[in-house]
Amino acid sequence: KNQVEQSPQSLIILEGKNCTLQCNYTVSPFSNLRWYKQDTGRGPVSLTIMTFSENTKSNGRYTATLDADTKQSSLHITASQLSDSASYICVVSANWDFGNEKLTFGTGTRLTIIP
Amino acid sequence: DARVTQTPRDKVTEMGQEVTMRCQPILGHNTVFWYRQTMMQGLELLAYFRNRAPLDDSGMPKDRFSAEMPDATLATLKIQPSEPRDSAVYFCASGFWLAGSGSYNEQFFGPGTRLTVL
Repeated sequence: KNQVEQSPQSLIILEGKNCTLQCNYTVSPFSNLRWYKQDTGRGPVSLTIMTFSENTKSNGRYTATLDADTKQSSLHITASQLSDSASYICVVSANWDFGNEKLTFGTGTRLTIIP
Repeated sequence: DARVTQTPRDKVTEMGQEVTMRCQPILGHNTVFWYRQTMMQGLELLAYFRNRAPLDDSGMPKDRFSAEMPDATLATLKIQPSEPRDSAVYFCASGFWLAGSGSYNEQFFGPGTRLTVL
């Protein structure tokens, strides 16, 4: 059964500090892995998408890594800001047939930045 | 500023009533997704369409849920009859996928419809 597990469930850090969120998956056949940011009361917004051949991708202060061998991904946030307070969702895609993807969602990490 | 729009933003209804949620995808996008999000389950894919044809609706309870795309600018999700366990936030997302391009389904989410069934 395809699964995506995220840790920690919640995290509180001081503004300006760095943090790393984890995502472990068992999804096959792997197509791509995405990180989304979801602010309270809003829809998710894509941060990064990585395919099998990519092991790191950055979007501003967000850097995602992917280890396809160990089936692990991390999202590192540098110099956190109050606006980073949100839920971060890891989503893994299995490409079952041409163009038809199966998405498996993690339950998210709730990040709170305090001044 | 292209974005996905959803109506209504909030809906409170009584058990047994029909609920219709609407979504306008980003102009030019050929793929539309419906998701449900609850605190317990997180995000779940209910159904998705490409070029208005349903590709996968395996996540949707078929006895009470139905999803359609009457035209390229409108997607609907109906629940009839609604039950308290349907209370959730329903998101629509759209994206563009081109066969042979090697691109993946980048999705742009709408703001969601918060449904409460009493």
